[in-house]
Amino acid sequence: DTGVSQDPRHKITKRGQNVTFRCDPISEHNRLYWYRQTLGQGPEFLTYFQNEAQLEKSRLLSDRFSAERPKGSFSTLEIQRTEQGDSAMYLCASSSAEGQPQHFGDGTRLSIL
Amino acid sequence: QKEVEQNSGPLSVPEGAIASLNCTYSDRGSQSFFWYRQYSGKSPELIMFIYSNGDKEDGRFTAQLNKASQYVSLLIRDSQPSDSATYLCAVDGDTDKLIFGTGTRLQVFP
Repeated sequence: DTGVSQDPRHKITKRGQNVTFRCDPISEHNRLYWYRQTLGQGPEFLTYFQNEAQLEKSRLLSDRFSAERPKGSFSTLEIQRTEQGDSAMYLCASSSAEGQPQHFGDGTRLSIL
Repeated sequence: QKEVEQNSGPLSVPEGAIASLNCTYSDRGSQSFFWYRQYSGKSPELIMFIYSNGDKEDGRFTAQLNKASQYVSLLIRDSQPSDSATYLCAVDGDTDKLIFGTGTRLQVFP
C-alpha cells in the first residue's frame, strides 16, 4: 500500500518567487487535504478536496495561494509572490471518506530567503 | 473559534512506565478524535482514532474519550525511548477538516 507522496521534500526560494508543490494521495482515497505547520504549532488547515471539487478554503489561504486537483487524483498547491511568513512545512493528507482518519505525507519544507 | 488544548510538556517518564497524554476540546459537536505522533522534523503519523465514549486499545496504546467532559486522552503502556516524540491531538471541525492542538512533547528516559 503506497502512502501519500509529496514533492519536493524541500524547497528554498527567494522572496517574491512562485512555488508549486505536488501531492499524490493514497490511490483509493477520494479526499485530499492541505495543512501548514510552523515550528512549535500543530498543523493548520488550508483547504480540502473531494475528488476534483474544492469543498473548503481556510481564511489562512490568501489570494496568493491556489490549490487544484484537476482529475481527482494528484493535487497541486501554488504560492505566488512568496513572503517570509510563508516559510513552513506544507503537509498533504488523504482519507477514504468524511470523518475517516487522515494519513499524512512526508511534507514539503519551504524556506524563503 | 474551535480550539483543542494540550499541555506542551515536556512530559518525562521512565522507560517501562505509563505515559498519560491529555487533550480538551471546545466544540461539543465534535465526533471524531485522533492522536498523531510526530518525530522532530517529520510529518504526523496516525496512531489512534476514537469515535465513541469509552476506551479503545491497540497494542500498547489506549485512547479514552469522554464527550460529556470534552476530554480525550492517550495512554502509552511500557513506554520506550523510541516513543519520545510530540503527540498531537486532533478533532474534527464543523466540516471535514481537523483542528490540532499544539502537541505534547514526551520524553522517555532509560
